[in-house]
Amino acid sequence: EAGVAQSPRYKIIEKRQSVAFWCNPISGHATLYWYQQILGQGPKLLIQFQNNGVVDDSQLPKDRFSAERLKGVDSTLKIQPAKLEDSAVYLCASSLDIDGKADTQYFGPGTRLTVL
Amino acid sequence: GNSVTQMEGPVTLSEEAFLTINCTYTATGYPSLFWYVQYPGEGLQLLLKATKADDKGSNKGFEATYRKETTSFHLEKGSVQVSDSAVYFCALSLSGGYQKVTFGIGTKLQVIP
Repeated sequence: EAGVAQSPRYKIIEKRQSVAFWCNPISGHATLYWYQQILGQGPKLLIQFQNNGVVDDSQLPKDRFSAERLKGVDSTLKIQPAKLEDSAVYLCASSLDIDGKADTQYFGPGTRLTVL
Repeated sequence: GNSVTQMEGPVTLSEEAFLTINCTYTATGYPSLFWYVQYPGEGLQLLLKATKADDKGSNKGFEATYRKETTSFHLEKGSVQVSDSAVYFCALSLSGGYQKVTFGIGTKLQVIP
């Protein structure tokens, strides 16, 4: 079974530039998560999709971050414009989530973003 | 709100030593509890989980018991190996329409030969 795919693996940009990350979850998984993991901290949820609808984006900085999940499959996360404090690893995860019950999350390898 | 508190790392142990990583939680409702592990250069992966009080999760020699009375889910292993060197994350999940997950800050474990 293929895992969660993410690209690119690494990205270096200058502040005020734009960047986009892509995620393809495990086939059949209803829920997709984007997390931000700053060095030395635990993953912080940015946005959570259930199928193609957003169920939680309370911690997404909406003035600069946006995300979409077209057709309830793959997803893109965009930052525009980037700030220095956006330097982090961006993790995508998916889970089966039958009936909204607690379920194992499967993580991709992450995208390491460096903003100069 | 919901939160997970983990012991600060790094934790450095000699091979074959006993490991305990403490994890306590605060939650409204009855969460499921997880330990995820992140090996160097890799993504997070599930290590073990427990979905109700007194359940014990186990995998690869690691164990954790869901203690409702102390709101804890401490991770233990009787004899660590160099290959166990990684960052360990405790997490809780609450259900109700959709799954809501909260992670701890992670505890780095370094096992030396």
